[in-house]
Amino acid sequence: DAGITQSPRHKVTETGTPVTLRCHQTENHRYMYWYRQDPGHGLRLIHYSYGVKDTDKGEVSDGYSVSRSKTEDFLLTLESATSSQTSVYFCAISVRADTQETQYFGPGTRLLVL
Amino acid sequence: GQQVMQIPQYQHVQEGEDFTTYCNSSTTLSNIQWYKQRPGGHPVFLIQLVKSGEVKKQKRLTFQFGEAKKNSSLHITATQTTDVGTYFCAVTDNYGQNFVFGPGTRLSVLP
Repeated sequence: DAGITQSPRHKVTETGTPVTLRCHQTENHRYMYWYRQDPGHGLRLIHYSYGVKDTDKGEVSDGYSVSRSKTEDFLLTLESATSSQTSVYFCAISVRADTQETQYFGPGTRLLVL
Repeated sequence: GQQVMQIPQYQHVQEGEDFTTYCNSSTTLSNIQWYKQRPGGHPVFLIQLVKSGEVKKQKRLTFQFGEAKKNSSLHITATQTTDVGTYFCAVTDNYGQNFVFGPGTRLSVLP
């Protein structure tokens, strides 16, 4: 699956603590994305990156920040975790070929904020 | 922003029955993609449709893009237990930069 890994895979934390999730890819793809998945909402884009140090906000970016200091790593930080951020977080990369752009997803991180 | 609706939200079928999920947009789409997510897994790309009225088949799965390019359907013939999962459509946002995913249709197949 395009060599995407996420860490940790599961995390339980308390309200108010900072949390950082890591996405790592091995194939040098330029575009990387962070989504959250909640019942009834499908996948919603949090932030995305189109290169090292180049990031932008998605649909649900409030309370989240990202960093991309290396092509292979895209970090998502919850600055002060809240219970509403309990979710499954997916990282994705985008592969573009001719007229088709395909997203490949990592295995996901399950985050529980108590 | 761009939004897509999917119906139904849930579908329970007996193994061997057919299944169809629909994706609808209020605006004309440049293309549409379908993804499948198995329980506990991550979304996996199935197919992309680009042309008006386009029909593509993958074994028992038939994908169709509407003539007006505002809707799409995924039809599964003779469902199997391996078809269980959530099916998402995804469209390009208004800026043509990122994908917007529908809420998904969760399929259960009873053996």
